[in-house]
Amino acid sequence: AQSVTQLDSQVPVFEEAPVELRCNYSSSVSVYLFWYVQYPNQGLQLLLKYLSGSTLVKGINGFEAEFNKSQTSFHLRKPSVHISDTAEYFCAVRYTGGFKTIFGAGTRLFVKA
Amino acid sequence: KAGVTQTPRYLIKTRGQQVTLSCSPISGHRSVSWYQQTPGQGLQFLFEYFSETQRNKGNFPGRFSGRQFSNSRSEMNVSTLELGDSALYLCASSLGQGASYNEQFFGPGTRLTVL
Repeated sequence: AQSVTQLDSQVPVFEEAPVELRCNYSSSVSVYLFWYVQYPNQGLQLLLKYLSGSTLVKGINGFEAEFNKSQTSFHLRKPSVHISDTAEYFCAVRYTGGFKTIFGAGTRLFVKA
Repeated sequence: KAGVTQTPRYLIKTRGQQVTLSCSPISGHRSVSWYQQTPGQGLQFLFEYFSETQRNKGNFPGRFSGRQFSNSRSEMNVSTLELGDSALYLCASSLGQGASYNEQFFGPGTRLTVL
């Protein structure tokens, strides 16, 4: 079955430290990959996407992610986090020709001063 | 360009009642998807519509239904509400075709509480 695994449910980190949020998906067939951020009581906002082309994708707010087809991973990184990055982050996969998006369980990023 | 709008934002119902939620996609978007978000189950796919046709459906009971109108607006209906239906219901719109059709834009959600 198609699935998305976010390996960490919570990630505490100090302000200005680097962070990596991990995401693996179940199949190596053609995929489209996304990271979304959700702030409390809000919908999801797209951080970045991989549709095709370069495997290193840059998004908003200084985030980037790298698509690794052989490891079926799409980890999200930021070199220096801010307090305002505290939120829940969701990795999502859409399979080519499929008409649904599968989300991971989410990773709660908590940035401490 | 206005974003995805969902109405109402908050709703309180009692068990056994039914509810209809509405979603207006971004202008020009022809695809609408619905998701249920709960603390225990995370984000679960409900259905996806494109040009008034349901393209895919998630693993939810028949009490959950939806439709899309010719102007791309969508509604979802839940009949015979159960306590477990309490959730944030999110709507997302996309172009629906072409290279970027997979990129979805989310609305703020409707928070449904079933008492």
